[in-house]
Amino acid sequence: ETGVTQTPRHLVMGMTNKKSLKCEQHLGHNAMYWYKQSAKKPLELMFVYSLEERVENNSVPSRFSPECPNSSHLFLHLHTLQPEDSALYLCASSLHPKTGGLLKWGNTIYFGEGSWLTVV
Amino acid sequence: KQEVTQIPAALSVPEGENLVLNCSFTDSAIYNLQWFRQDPGKGLTSLLLIQSSQREQTSGRLNASLDKSSGRSTLYIAASQPGDSATYLCAVMGSQGNLIFGKGTKLSVKP
Repeated sequence: ETGVTQTPRHLVMGMTNKKSLKCEQHLGHNAMYWYKQSAKKPLELMFVYSLEERVENNSVPSRFSPECPNSSHLFLHLHTLQPEDSALYLCASSLHPKTGGLLKWGNTIYFGEGSWLTVV
Repeated sequence: KQEVTQIPAALSVPEGENLVLNCSFTDSAIYNLQWFRQDPGKGLTSLLLIQSSQREQTSGRLNASLDKSSGRSTLYIAASQPGDSATYLCAVMGSQGNLIFGKGTKLSVKP
């Protein structure tokens, strides 16, 4: 148990469906991330929210839409996905590197268990 | 563009052996390097974090080293156990604060 909770753990959706993945952390972290893990490929960073503001969008298709209503919650809204979007989606959290006024990238990042997505 | 490579892709050893997993990265301008463990169908668990100014970190039977100038890190596992079987991922943190991962080394420790 890392303190980062993802729901649902498994999701099967059709290409015309709209669904959402949810991530929640109560570690006092203020940066949250979405990663995609596909077979035979390295983990790919999708989005970064820092202090509730999106700071990175790694050329992710618009059919993926993130939302960060507060520092403890992160959503990934999914619509009109393709079969190649089937993957394990991992949420993570950490302390923002500028927490406390110091630029410090050395904070450990904590991952959730992931949401297995299958697009049919 | 930073690239992280892990060798070997898979490794099978008998219980009790000491082993070394390798990680290399192309851009030495990193803030830190982390080693993670991933069990099948699960998320990632952080094992060790080495700051760019450090040379190594130890936790129990695990020891990770970092040679930033040559772009290399090793994860040493002493006296391996079947419970160590998992995929081990290396990741470097770049100037934007994002982690760049390798593809991992799948370790199997046979009883």
